[in-house]
Amino acid sequence: GENVEQHPSTLSVQEGDSAVIKCTYSDSASNYFPWYKQELGKRPQLIIDIRSNVGEKKDQRIAVTLNKTAKHFSLHITETQPEDSAVYFCAARGSNTGKLIFGQGTTLQVKP
Amino acid sequence: DTEVTQTPKHLVMGMTNKKSLKCEQHMGHRAMYWYKQKAKKPPELMFVYSYEKLSINESVPSRFSPECPNSSLLNLHLHALQPEDSALYLCASSLSGDTQYFGPGTRLTVL
Repeated sequence: GENVEQHPSTLSVQEGDSAVIKCTYSDSASNYFPWYKQELGKRPQLIIDIRSNVGEKKDQRIAVTLNKTAKHFSLHITETQPEDSAVYFCAARGSNTGKLIFGQGTTLQVKP
Repeated sequence: DTEVTQTPKHLVMGMTNKKSLKCEQHMGHRAMYWYKQKAKKPPELMFVYSYEKLSINESVPSRFSPECPNSSLLNLHLHALQPEDSALYLCASSLSGDTQYFGPGTRLTVL
C-alpha cells in the first residue's frame, strides 16, 4: 500500500545551524508533496510544498528537494531559530485515492 | 476569509452523550476532510467530502457520523464514544484535492 517513511523522529540543533528532515514514499505515481509544521496545541500549518515536475523549491530559510528516481524528498531549514521548534510532517499525495499519506513526524528542537 | 474555522475548541463528553463538531470555510474549496490526531502522531484521515458528497470513509466506526449540509459547512456527529476516541479532531479543506488547509481543531475528551 501507500506509505511514507520519515527520518529522523527527533532532531536537536543549535540556533543558527541547519536542519534536514528526509522522507521516502512508496507510490511512484505520487505527484504532490507538502510539508506541515505543527506547534504544540496548534493546527498543522503548510510551510512549503513541491510538485513532481519540480526538483527544488525555496522560500526564504526553507527549501524542499525532490528526487523522483529515488522516491525521496527532503526539507531543509537554514539558520534555525527557536521558533522553528515544532513537529514537522511530510506527506505524499497518493495517485490512486488522492489522499495525503503522512510521515510519522519529526520533532525539531532548536536550542538557543 | 482565508481560514478554516472549527467549533468548539474543546469538548468534554460522557460515553452516552450526543454532540457535534462543526467546521466552516468560505474559500470556495470543494473538498473537505475530517482527521483524527493523537499526540505527536500524524493526522489520521476519517472522511472526505467532494462537492458535498461523501467520497471516502476510512472504515470509521458508526459512532462517528459526518454531514455536509452545504459547500461551506462540515459537521461530525458523535454518539456513544469511547475513551480511546479522545483526540484532536481536525477539519481541512482543499480547492483542488491536493493542498489542504487545516482548521485549529477540536480537542475532544471522552470520560
